[in-house]
Amino acid sequence: DGGITQSPKYLFRKEGQNVTLSCEQNLNHDAMYWYRQDPGQGLRLIYYSQIVNDFQKGDIAEGYSVSREKKESFPLTVTSAQKNPTAFYLCASSMAPLFSGNTIYFGEGSWLTVV
Amino acid sequence: KNEVEQSPQNLTAQEGEFITINCSYSVGISALHWLQQHPGGGIVSLFMLSSGKKKHGRLIATINIQEKHSSLHITASHPRDSAVYICAVRETSGSRLTFGEGTQLTVNP
Repeated sequence: DGGITQSPKYLFRKEGQNVTLSCEQNLNHDAMYWYRQDPGQGLRLIYYSQIVNDFQKGDIAEGYSVSREKKESFPLTVTSAQKNPTAFYLCASSMAPLFSGNTIYFGEGSWLTVV
Repeated sequence: KNEVEQSPQNLTAQEGEFITINCSYSVGISALHWLQQHPGGGIVSLFMLSSGKKKHGRLIATINIQEKHSSLHITASHPRDSAVYICAVRETSGSRLTFGEGTQLTVNP
């Protein structure tokens, strides 16, 4: 079945460590996105990529990094510079940039806790 | 003030009741999405609409572009409808989505 796979589902990180969240899609989508969700807040955009080897910062990119070396993969690294990384992270994709009228598909999310 | 406001924040209903969740926005948009977030966290797209009304099973979504308002209705609600429902808008000027904070719906048997 086509879809978006995020891993791991749950991750614990010690302060000062970098961690990488995986996002893989087999929908042949060009655009991929990373969102962060905190209690009582709407999803906020961290980074997005409209095409392979290209990505742009979203609204809260500080302390995060991404790569898009393959069309199907868009990993997110939460670096030690991110001051408050404990959150729920969602990866998403769409056929083309959203202004083209395409719907968006989400993964199941990853819970990151800093201990 | 958020660009996308949802009401109510929390809603508890009895099985069988008709449910309405509202979404108001303050920017010009090209489309509005209604999403459903399951207790485990995964999100499913329910509707994408830019005008009028769409229906899928017991779910109905309407939008009034002039009033900058959309509603999601659930008829004959069921406990399995319990989830967070999220409104998101795609602004006319860009390719990003702006999300509301979500409405937590609980349907009791």
